[in-house]
Amino acid sequence: DQQVKQNSPSLSVQEGRISILNCDYTNSMFDYFLWYKKYPAEGPTFLISISSIKDKNEDGRFTVFLNKSAKHLSLHIVPSQPGDSAVYFCAASAAGRRALTFGSGTRLQVQP
Amino acid sequence: DARVTQTPRHKVTEMGQEVTMRCQPILGHNTVFWYRQTMMQGLELLAYFRNRAPLDDSGMPKDRFSAEMPDATLATLKIQPSEPRDSAVYFCASGLFLGGGASETQYFGPGTRLLVL
Repeated sequence: DQQVKQNSPSLSVQEGRISILNCDYTNSMFDYFLWYKKYPAEGPTFLISISSIKDKNEDGRFTVFLNKSAKHLSLHIVPSQPGDSAVYFCAASAAGRRALTFGSGTRLQVQP
Repeated sequence: DARVTQTPRHKVTEMGQEVTMRCQPILGHNTVFWYRQTMMQGLELLAYFRNRAPLDDSGMPKDRFSAEMPDATLATLKIQPSEPRDSAVYFCASGLFLGGGASETQYFGPGTRLLVL
């Protein structure tokens, strides 16, 4: 039972355009959501997070949107850069259980 | 530049051998997590500690896996005996839990790539 789903295994965008990565979850107990970026042979690197009391959080080129009623979150990268090419994981945690539940990842390729 | 470190980065061993993986969390962090990444299961939690005490190890096969924190600067994950199905990348992550309802952000190490023949 996948509680966190990333339905797009891959995404390709042109440099300078917007990248939108999507994530859906099923567990209504999740109250904290994070995005991680992962390069080959490295550990996931934290990008940005959002608490369930907010619907948007912004950090530079990265913005995460949370739609609790739809149990959906998205990561927007504007403008996309070739260095953003990596696998992006959505993760969530529930109150009382701080371990993360990860999605399966979306591979982003930013074309120069 | 504070980071989580893991050793070894790569390990090849034969079935039945003992494997020990080590993790040094970021100084000052009070929570340590062990995750395993496989092609089939993705990233899944094995165990985690807060203030060196185990809080959840439900993801770990108890008959062969053990996790400990001998001190605040060292976490270990041991497999004995190892099996080919244990082949995976094992990640350690650490975070600072401040209490209340807040969640800590987890910072990951580079992982130990284990191959059991």
